[in-house]
Amino acid sequence: DVKVTQSSRYLVKRTGEKVFLECVQDMDHENMFWYRQDPGLGLRLIYFSYDVKMKEKGDIPEGYSVSREKKERFSLILESASTNQTSMYLCASSLEGIGGYNSPLHFGNGTRLTVT
Amino acid sequence: GIQVEQSPPDLILQEGANSTLRCNFSDSVNNLQWFHQNPWGQLINLFYIPSGTKQNGRLSATTVATERYSLLYISSSQTTDSGVYFCAGGGSQGNLIFGKGTKLSVKP
Repeated sequence: DVKVTQSSRYLVKRTGEKVFLECVQDMDHENMFWYRQDPGLGLRLIYFSYDVKMKEKGDIPEGYSVSREKKERFSLILESASTNQTSMYLCASSLEGIGGYNSPLHFGNGTRLTVT
Repeated sequence: GIQVEQSPPDLILQEGANSTLRCNFSDSVNNLQWFHQNPWGQLINLFYIPSGTKQNGRLSATTVATERYSLLYISSSQTTDSGVYFCAGGGSQGNLIFGKGTKLSVKP
């Protein structure tokens, strides 16, 4: 079974702090993704990565950055946390799509971040 | 970008009933997936189904790609089926756009 592990289930940070959310997958997946989930807004893509050191902006990248130094690890960074970044953050991974084929997306358990 | 609409937004069923959830896309997609989010927040992949029909136990899904919609069927529903069902679609790069979900409550 694919396992996507997020380092923290709950996190409380103060406004202005630099926050790191870590995600590790154990299935040698090429693709990794960061989403945030908010009531009434659903899941929205922040950033994704197809390979080590590669990154692509999603729909809402403002205020975030990412790092992928190793294939199995994808980190989301909040440079200066703000209260509007209070949310559930979900990491996901999938195999590389080849020839038009895509593979199922697998999610971690999520990190509920509160910024006060 | 692609718009994903799900219906109904909320659904209440008695245990044992059947239901159909629908997902419409504003444009063609070649990557379509269904997910279930349980009451503890865990998102589980149910189907990768860009076209055709698949079945997994009491769940089945059908995608009609030419008409840009997909259906998820739940038969003989159980209380453990409760939660939110999401469909998501996208292109070949693997990044998915999610619908707002259908919240299902199955009563004993």
